[in-house]
Amino acid sequence: QKEVEQNSGPLSVPEGAIASLNCTYSDRGSQSFFWYRQYSGKSPELIMFIYSNGDKEDGRFTAQLNKASQYVSLLIRDSQPSDSATYLCAVNPPDSNYQLIWGAGTKLIIKP
Amino acid sequence: DTEVTQTPKHLVMGMTNKKSLKCEQHMGHRAMYWYKQKAKKPPELMFVYSYEKLSINESVPSRFSPECPNSSLLNLHLHALQPEDSALYLCASSSKWTQYFGPGTRLLVL
Repeated sequence: QKEVEQNSGPLSVPEGAIASLNCTYSDRGSQSFFWYRQYSGKSPELIMFIYSNGDKEDGRFTAQLNKASQYVSLLIRDSQPSDSATYLCAVNPPDSNYQLIWGAGTKLIIKP
Repeated sequence: DTEVTQTPKHLVMGMTNKKSLKCEQHMGHRAMYWYKQKAKKPPELMFVYSYEKLSINESVPSRFSPECPNSSLLNLHLHALQPEDSALYLCASSSKWTQYFGPGTRLLVL
């Protein structure tokens, strides 16, 4: 069974520090990896996507992909209270007809 | 523009009612999705319309029925729902694997 796993948290990080969120996946053939941010009561918002091994940076966010170890991570630098949310990892396995497999999400709390 | 719109934002319905949720996108995406999300859970896929072909999550009860009038619109028809169907209903669209979500419809079934 195809699975995506995340630590449910909550992960508590002081304001200004680096928040590190991790995700592992079971299907080694997966090609596309996504991080979504979801505020309470709102819909998921795409933060980053990554297809290739290595790092991808966008502002304060860095996605890291290691296909050999089957994990993807999201780093948030200079964490702000507005970053407090649930972060969902999603993976597109092969032959999935554009469907995503979702992790359960990690709740991140940035403490002022 | 990565906008997906959904109406209504909130809906309260009785168990004997029939209602519809509407979703629209103008990004030229060829795949659209309905998800159900309960509190503190990830989105659960209900239906996918991809290149005019419908894929169904077999665990979704028949009281939910999707309709795709054209490539920009996706409706979800609701009939004889149960209180446990109360949830946030999310529509998304994608050109390939990157999905963009609408704001959702908060549904309460009494």
